[in-house]
Amino acid sequence: EAGVAQSPRYKIIEKRQSVAFWCNPISGHATLYWYQQILGQGPKLLIQFQNNGVVDDSQLPKDRFSAERLKGVDSTLKIQPAKLEDSAVYLCASSLREGPYNEQFFGPGTRLTVL
Amino acid sequence: AQTVTQSQPEMSVQEAETVTLSCTYDTSESDYYLFWYKQPPSRQMILVIRQEAYKQQNATENRFSVNFQKAAKSFSLKISDSQLGDAAMYFCAYRSEETSGSRLTFGEGTQLTVNP
Repeated sequence: EAGVAQSPRYKIIEKRQSVAFWCNPISGHATLYWYQQILGQGPKLLIQFQNNGVVDDSQLPKDRFSAERLKGVDSTLKIQPAKLEDSAVYLCASSLREGPYNEQFFGPGTRLTVL
Repeated sequence: AQTVTQSQPEMSVQEAETVTLSCTYDTSESDYYLFWYKQPPSRQMILVIRQEAYKQQNATENRFSVNFQKAAKSFSLKISDSQLGDAAMYFCAYRSEETSGSRLTFGEGTQLTVNP
């Protein structure tokens, strides 16, 4: 089965610019996650969707970050405006359903560099 | 809030030898899951092994096994017969079974080098 797809793989922008990342989860997976992985750190959850509803966005900097999953399938994560500290790898993951026993499958990530 | 600590930023092992990666965590919950994930260079993160906190028996997956000490809040990963393909960043992660959502809380990672 196809894995989690993400695009672009790499993005370089100037600070204060906007950027968007796209994720296509594994077919049939109801739960989708966006993680931020700063260099030298473990991933940190930004937002979790169950179908097209938000389950957890407590760690999402809502003044500049937004995410949507309109039809319960693909998702986009947007940063507007970007700051230097947003430089990181943004990982998308999906699982069949919510719950700790459901394995999360990760995509290859989008590496963002903010100059 | 739960925290996960990996005190070994880097580890190395000779091919065919055994290595143990350490992980400790802090939680007030009694029901949770612990995981080890592997992140090879420029490749996606994959699940290595999972442990349910209510199970006393340590999980094993082929050459990978864990030493789960619930009272000590310790969760180490042992890799036996190390192979070159085991070289990667390894993350320990925690996931609550008591709160809504499925957030994984990760440690800082341990970079494992396998020497031929």
